[in-house]
Amino acid sequence: GAVVSQHPSRVICKSGTSVKIECRSLDFQATTMFWYRQFPKQSLMLMATSNEGSKATYEQGVEKDKFLINHASLTLSTLTVTSAHPEDSSFYICSARGQAGTGELFFGEGSRLTVL
Amino acid sequence: EDKVVQSPLSLVVHEGDTVTLNCSYEVTNFRSLLWYKQEKKAPTFLFMLTSSGIEKKSGRLSSILDKKELFSILNITATQTGDSAIYLCALTRTGNQFYFGTGTSLTVIP
Repeated sequence: GAVVSQHPSRVICKSGTSVKIECRSLDFQATTMFWYRQFPKQSLMLMATSNEGSKATYEQGVEKDKFLINHASLTLSTLTVTSAHPEDSSFYICSARGQAGTGELFFGEGSRLTVL
Repeated sequence: EDKVVQSPLSLVVHEGDTVTLNCSYEVTNFRSLLWYKQEKKAPTFLFMLTSSGIEKKSGRLSSILDKKELFSILNITATQTGDSAIYLCALTRTGNQFYFGTGTSLTVIP
């Protein structure tokens, strides 16, 4: 099946710094990728839809200047958490849709961000 | 406003029990409903449902969709400790987005 790789899996940073998380589709081209945030024991909250070659579409309540998304190629999307604060600490997961028609969503391994 | 609500939020059962997890939804331009199992990290795909009344089955797991009453159920028979996980229901609409439900945390005790 399709593979999505996410890096880093775990990152600890100081408050005020920026952190970049990468999401790569390894064996397929993903024109659209999705970024989710997950709090402990809670479901996935869609943050934004990342479109290759165009601006990301953010969900209501998600600050686009805070969570910068870039989808520069068909296999790479990045999420940058700018000026991170402790409340940004969370589990971030990216995903990409499989081949047209299957409907399946393939997930990266997730990135655990801890902001001190 | 689109909603995906799962129930119960959490469930503890003994090995061998049968469980039924519910996912109800209100969403415009419904396209499909998917079930995922999440253990420690990334969710893994279980089923995709697009048509009412057609049961999908994989081993001890099965699922069915009711597009009239706007819900789906996921059944797990003869549960095992390895079934302990968060089960997520997701909806897709036209436009490509996936929206996840609140999740059900299942714990199976020996």
